[in-house]
Amino acid sequence: DVLMTQTPVSLPVSLGGQVSISCRSSQSLVHSDGNTYLHWYLQKPGQSPQLLIYRVSNRFSGVPDRFSGSGSGTDFTLKISRVEPEDLGVYYCLQSTHFRTFGGGTKLELK
Amino acid sequence: EVQLVESGGGLVQPGRSLKLSCAASGFTFSDYYMAWVRQAPTKGLEWVASISYDGGSTYYRDSVKGRFTISRDNAKSSLYLQMDSLRSEDTATYYCTTEVTDAHYWGQGVMVTVSS
Repeated sequence: DVLMTQTPVSLPVSLGGQVSISCRSSQSLVHSDGNTYLHWYLQKPGQSPQLLIYRVSNRFSGVPDRFSGSGSGTDFTLKISRVEPEDLGVYYCLQSTHFRTFGGGTKLELK
Repeated sequence: EVQLVESGGGLVQPGRSLKLSCAASGFTFSDYYMAWVRQAPTKGLEWVASISYDGGSTYYRDSVKGRFTISRDNAKSSLYLQMDSLRSEDTATYYCTTEVTDAHYWGQGVMVTVSS
């Protein structure tokens, strides 16, 4: 099974600031079709997870350009710039190259 | 608009069974993979089981193999999760989810509590 290691677990931020979240996989996420199926979600309190980024770096419909994803192989990063109150919650990475595995989550909270 | 609506959750005793349902609309259900994901109280997301578009292939996480069965009825645009021999560690909110091309959709979730 693919293990997804997400860091940090908790991430204090000031509004307007910039943060990065890391997600590392135990094996390469490059699929045999050439795509890399690594995605990022945000779960706000009391809500279902919502897709932010699909296939490493593609913003989902309606997601502001403050969110950006990067990485390759086994090492991926989500960056959030100019953090706003609606960005607070728990972020998860998900790999769907080898079945499905979620990262453990990163809680973005105010300093 | 894609909608996924789960039902069937509740309180059940250890060792008993429960069947979850997910009613889908807004997309061609029979064309897409479907899955169940769960989240224990205050914990992270955990993929439980998935099923191919035609039901021909199913996949389960190790902790539920032999106890849970995922199935679908494409004529009814519905997904199911039959949960047998339930344990306290199965207590969680269960989400129905799908990936329509690059768009991921989730239901609102249904709570399952396993307790005596």
